[in-house]
Amino acid sequence: QVQLQESGPGLVKPSQTLSLTCSVSGDSISSGSHYWTWIRQPAGMGLEWIGRIYVSGSTNSSPSLRSRVTISLSTSKNQFSLELRSVTAADTALYYCARMTMSGGVPDYFDYWGLGILVTVSS
Amino acid sequence: QSGLTQPASVSGSPGQSITIPCTGTSSDVGTYNFVSWYQQHPGKAPKVIIYEVSQRPSGVSNRFSGSKSGNTASLTISGLQAEDEADYICCSYGSASTLVFGGGTKLTVL
Repeated sequence: QVQLQESGPGLVKPSQTLSLTCSVSGDSISSGSHYWTWIRQPAGMGLEWIGRIYVSGSTNSSPSLRSRVTISLSTSKNQFSLELRSVTAADTALYYCARMTMSGGVPDYFDYWGLGILVTVSS
Repeated sequence: QSGLTQPASVSGSPGQSITIPCTGTSSDVGTYNFVSWYQQHPGKAPKVIIYEVSQRPSGVSNRFSGSKSGNTASLTISGLQAEDEADYICCSYGSASTLVFGGGTKLTVL
């Protein structure tokens, strides 16, 4: 059974860096069979794709967030992480990590999700 | 890249069928067959119900079906049941290897 679990601070001050980690069990990030992704959802609003990483370290992220986002992974810990710099109140959201399938190397769909972690940006 | 466009809400009576459109552009929905749909109940993580426009994952009811025409993908739910009341969100692969979501549609079963 694949499980993902987000962890990190629930409160971040404006202008600081939001840092989250996703711990994966039931699958190995090193397998190379999936992409590992971050998605967020502000309260009462829709989903927003943040970015993804592959076991090679290759990343891609939303153009609107790219200048502030870093996604990395640790194969030894079977974890991947998100850093979002210079946060504002607009970054307050429920942050999900998710596993994404691929078809011919193209990202296909999200098949397993974490429960999400609420991050509030406030002084 | 802008988000995909979905109606904010739809409704239907038990047993009826409803269709939720998801409109994108030639840079995403119109070009790629990597459109997926997710069902999200309140307080829960999304669950995939359709992938690659019209494919159903194992275990998903055949009351859910997907299609695409031009820049618009659609989700149809037939034989509406009370348990179908949820938010439905579309997602598409797009240019520059990015992903884009729709704003979500709240389904009310009357």
